[in-house]
Order: sequence, then structure tokens, then C-alpha cells
Amino acid sequence: DAGITQSPRHKVTETGTPVTLRCHQTENHRYMYWYRQDPGHGLRLIHYSYGVKDTDKGEVSDGYSVSRSKTEDFLLTLESATSSQTSVYFCAISESLAGGSNTGELFFGEGSRLTVL
Amino acid sequence: TQLLEQSPQFLSIQEGENLTVYCNSSSVFSSLQWYRQEPGEGPVLLVTVVTGGEVKKLKRLTFQFGDARKDSSLHITAAQPGDTGLYLCAGAPTGNQFYFGTGTSLTVIP
Repeated sequence: DAGITQSPRHKVTETGTPVTLRCHQTENHRYMYWYRQDPGHGLRLIHYSYGVKDTDKGEVSDGYSVSRSKTEDFLLTLESATSSQTSVYFCAISESLAGGSNTGELFFGEGSRLTVL
Repeated sequence: TQLLEQSPQFLSIQEGENLTVYCNSSSVFSSLQWYRQEPGEGPVLLVTVVTGGEVKKLKRLTFQFGDARKDSSLHITAAQPGDTGLYLCAGAPTGNQFYFGTGTSLTVIP
């Protein structure tokens, strides 16, 4: 199993409070991703990183920010949580992009369930 | 509107039946992947299809990539209760962004 640890695994918070989710990897993979999973939507990309301090927005980035100061850590921050951000958040890592001989396989953490009241 | 649409969203079948799950897009992909997810866990890669028209088999699972590289299908023969789970297709049409389909929740009844 890929060494990916998400913390916290479960969190309940109130609307308007800041929340930070952490993804830690021991694989030294270059690419890291944050997804949210909601019923009927599959997984939707929030932000991703292609190297230390190199990040970009995904399809649902509003209300979220990320930081990657070290290869192994990718943080997702909700500056002011809202009820619409109640979801299960997954971190994923990849050694390479899909294309050519590379599968671009994503390895996922076990998820962080966030409830915003 | 999501980049990858899957159908059906839910599927409940009896053990031994066959089924097909579809993944469609208006975009062209260099490759498409299929993942399977069990409750409380992250998705796990089943297969990657790269060439238009490609067919890959994984035991009772058959994966096909459309000729135009815009769609894919997953066919399961003689489904087993152990096949129960959420099946997701995924692809990166450009750059680094992996997009996932809406998912198909499969239940195989013994």
C-alpha cells in the first residue's frame, strides 16, 4: 500500500471556522491532489500540486486554499467553513502523469470526513 | 456538468448476471482509467486503457476504450458479491488534472 496518511480522519466543525486537512506521503511522489466526494458527483478535483510550492486550481476550488512547503505534505485549508463543504475529502498522489508509457496511477488516502454544522 | 458522465448511477443485480457500465465524455483523452472503491476506503486502480479501440481483460472484467478516445465501458461477466462497490472512470484530458466520472454503485445480490 502507498504510504499516504490523512488527518484528521473525522472532524465536526461549525460554520465560519477555519479547517485544515493534512495529507502526508512517504512515497516521494511529485504530484498530489485533493478531491471531495459527494453522492452523485463522484470525485471532484479541488486543487493539485506538481511540486513544492507549485499548485493549481481544480474544478471546485472556490472556498479552498492549499499549500505544499515540503514534498511529503499537502495541506487543504477551508478559511471559513460552510455547510456546503460537508463532504469526504480524499488526498491522492501520483508519480507521473498519464500518457505514453506512464499510467499516471493515482494512489489514495483513506479519506477525511468533514461535517460543517 | 461533469467532464465524465457514467451510467447507470446505480445497479443492483443477482449473482451470475452480466452488466455493463458506461463512461462518456465530449472530450478526447490520452488514456482513461477505471477505479473501484469500497466503503470507507479510497479508490483503487483497476486498469488503464491507452489506445483507441483497446480492449483489456482482468479476469471477469472487460474494459474497452472507444475508437475516438472519448468513452469507455466496463463489462462484468457472471457478477459475484465481491464485485460490489463503486466503480469510477477517470482521465486527464490536458495537463495534470485528473477528472473522475460520476460513479456507478454496483450491488450484487447473492
